[in-house]
Amino acid sequence: GDSVTQMEGPVTLSEEAFLTINCTYTATGYPSLFWYVQYPGEGLQLLLKATKADDKGSNKGFEATYRKETTSFHLEKGSVQVSDSAVYFCALSQGGSEKLVFGKGTKLTVNP
Amino acid sequence: NAGVTQTPKFQVLKTGQSMTLQCAQDMNHEYMSWYRQDPGMGLRLIHYSVGAGITDQGEVPNGYNVSRSTTEDFPLRLLSAAPSQTSVYFCASSRPDGSTYEQYFGPGTRLTVT
Repeated sequence: GDSVTQMEGPVTLSEEAFLTINCTYTATGYPSLFWYVQYPGEGLQLLLKATKADDKGSNKGFEATYRKETTSFHLEKGSVQVSDSAVYFCALSQGGSEKLVFGKGTKLTVNP
Repeated sequence: NAGVTQTPKFQVLKTGQSMTLQCAQDMNHEYMSWYRQDPGMGLRLIHYSVGAGITDQGEVPNGYNVSRSTTEDFPLRLLSAAPSQTSVYFCASSRPDGSTYEQYFGPGTRLTVT
């Protein structure tokens, strides 16, 4: 079946550091790919998405590019802030389905 | 709009007890779902519904029941709680967004079964 693998956390960075969280997937066909963020004590929120190969999703300074050749969707941000401290989930859905398959999540802590 | 609301926020049950986790949304979304979140496991789909009167099983449905009598409400029932059901439960609803769906999550219910 479909699956998503993310880098193990936790990740601890200093403010203004560069962030990369790796995400790879296994799926048939052409899934849509997502990054969700969960701030402490809250539910998940959609951060960005990409629906086809070479698409770049971006939001709040975060970016991720859909790479079909490497089945990857790595999350990047050039300069993280303390307010970016959260758990980040990579996910996919197939063929316009509402159902999501999630990775295990990566906890990011940004220190001042 | 309140979005997706869940009650209660916290619950402690003894093994064998039953309870219902409530979920409601005011966005008129047809699709709703329940996930559980366990440490190191990400979120796993328990049950989902594509509209009132229609429900189906997800990845981990055992020990849970759902029904969908209205568009707004999608309660999750634990029939006989077990310690393995200790988890954080999230309800979500979704709307079409281009070729995909955007999911909106509730704040979660933290359940402990002793």
